[in-house]
Amino acid sequence: GQQVMQIPQYQHVQEGEDFTTYCNSSTTLSNIQWYKQRPGGHPVFLIQLVKSGEVKKQKRLTFQFGEAKKNSSLHITATQTTDVGTYFCAGYTGNQFYFGTGTSLTVIP
Amino acid sequence: DGGITQSPKYLFRKEGQNVTLSCEQNLNHDAMYWYRQDPGQGLRLIYYSQIVNDFQKGDIAEGYSVSREKKESFPLTVTSAQKNPTAFYLCASKEAVQSYEQYFGPGTRLTVT
Repeated sequence: GQQVMQIPQYQHVQEGEDFTTYCNSSTTLSNIQWYKQRPGGHPVFLIQLVKSGEVKKQKRLTFQFGEAKKNSSLHITATQTTDVGTYFCAGYTGNQFYFGTGTSLTVIP
Repeated sequence: DGGITQSPKYLFRKEGQNVTLSCEQNLNHDAMYWYRQDPGQGLRLIYYSQIVNDFQKGDIAEGYSVSREKKESFPLTVTSAQKNPTAFYLCASKEAVQSYEQYFGPGTRLTVT
C-alpha cells in the first residue's frame, strides 16, 4: 500500500542551527503538503507543493518537491525556539492524504 | 468565527462501551476526514467523506463507524470492536476542488480503560 516515510524522527538543534526533514513516498504524488503541530496542539497547514521540482520559501523555511514527485524536504535556516514542534508531510493521491510519521524538532536555547 | 470544532477535548470511557466523537465545521467545506494519532506517530486515516450521505474507509476503519447526514457534521463512533481505542482523534475538512489545504479541529483525546 501507499507509504510516506519521513526522517529523522527526532532532531535536537542549538538555536541558530539549521534543520532539515525529508519525506519519501512509495508512489508518485499529486501534491505534497507540510504541516506543523505544536506540542498539545493540532496540525496547522504550512504550504502545498504541486509541480515537479518546485521550490517555495516562507521566510526562514524552504520547501522542495522532487522531480519525480515522490520526495520532498523542509529546511529551516537559523532555527528559533518558536520553531519547536513536529513537522509532518502529507502526500495526496487517490483522494486521500498519506501522512509521514513526522519529525519532532527541539530547539535548545 | 469560521472553523472546526470537536467535542469534548478529553473523553474517558470503560472498555466495551461505544463512544461518539463530535466534529462540526462552518467553513462550508465538502470534504471531511477523521484521523487517529498515536504517540510518536503520524496521522492515520480512519474515514473520509467528500459529499453528504457518502463516505469511504481509510486505512484503519475497522472498529469505527461514521455518518454524514449534514454537510457541517461528521461524527465518529468508536465501537467496542476497536481493539486499541485510546488515542488522539483529529477531524479535518477541506474544499473539494479549489484547495487541497486541510483545516484541523483541536482534537479529542480518548482514553479507554
